[in-house]
Amino acid sequence: AQSVTQLDSQVPVFEEAPVELRCNYSSSVSVYLFWYVQYPNQGLQLLLKYLSGSTLVKGINGFEAEFNKSQTSFHLRKPSVHISDTAEYFCAVTGAFGNEKLTFGTGTRLTIIP
Amino acid sequence: DTGVSQNPRHKITKRGQNVTFRCDPISEHNRLYWYRQTLGQGPEFLTYFQNEAQLEKSRLLSDRFSAERPKGSFSTLEIQRTEQGDSAMYLCASSLVGRLPSYNEQFFGPGTRLTVL
Repeated sequence: AQSVTQLDSQVPVFEEAPVELRCNYSSSVSVYLFWYVQYPNQGLQLLLKYLSGSTLVKGINGFEAEFNKSQTSFHLRKPSVHISDTAEYFCAVTGAFGNEKLTFGTGTRLTIIP
Repeated sequence: DTGVSQNPRHKITKRGQNVTFRCDPISEHNRLYWYRQTLGQGPEFLTYFQNEAQLEKSRLLSDRFSAERPKGSFSTLEIQRTEQGDSAMYLCASSLVGRLPSYNEQFFGPGTRLTVL
């Protein structure tokens, strides 16, 4: 079984400032890792994923994340945020066998301050 | 719109009533998942189908919950004798799974928000 910890429930950031949203995972097997974004009253949208290969993965809307196996982390970063980035962000994990259920963290609410 | 659709988007019911939600996956997607998201939490897995076969159910899915996917296309999730603790967003996702082991993205619908009074 896998688990995900997102320690920061809320992160306020000034517009155009950089941001890092933290995610740590636990698993006894190899994993796939994901970041999803949820805008108000909408479903989840995939931002980026790590399956294998390069540990630095780039996603949509200028976001990127780095897989660190030794620290069991998959932190999400963006060098300069915009008002439109205000949303809830979820880190998720699944076993690296494909096609398995996702286990999500509790989410981080990113609020951009003008 | 060719995405995952869910109906209704919102449902308000009284405790003890039965409710049914529908999910229409992306056409030709053979796998369908149900998740539940309560306030302040991330989505939690409930169950999934491969075509019409229900392959896994979470312990969160009590006897009051039942899900079906009769023809391998749309799916329904029914909750009998609703309780206030059932209030949540119910999310559906679908994916296209091939014969070889690989990653296949889950596409999520907008969810059905249930409020039990």
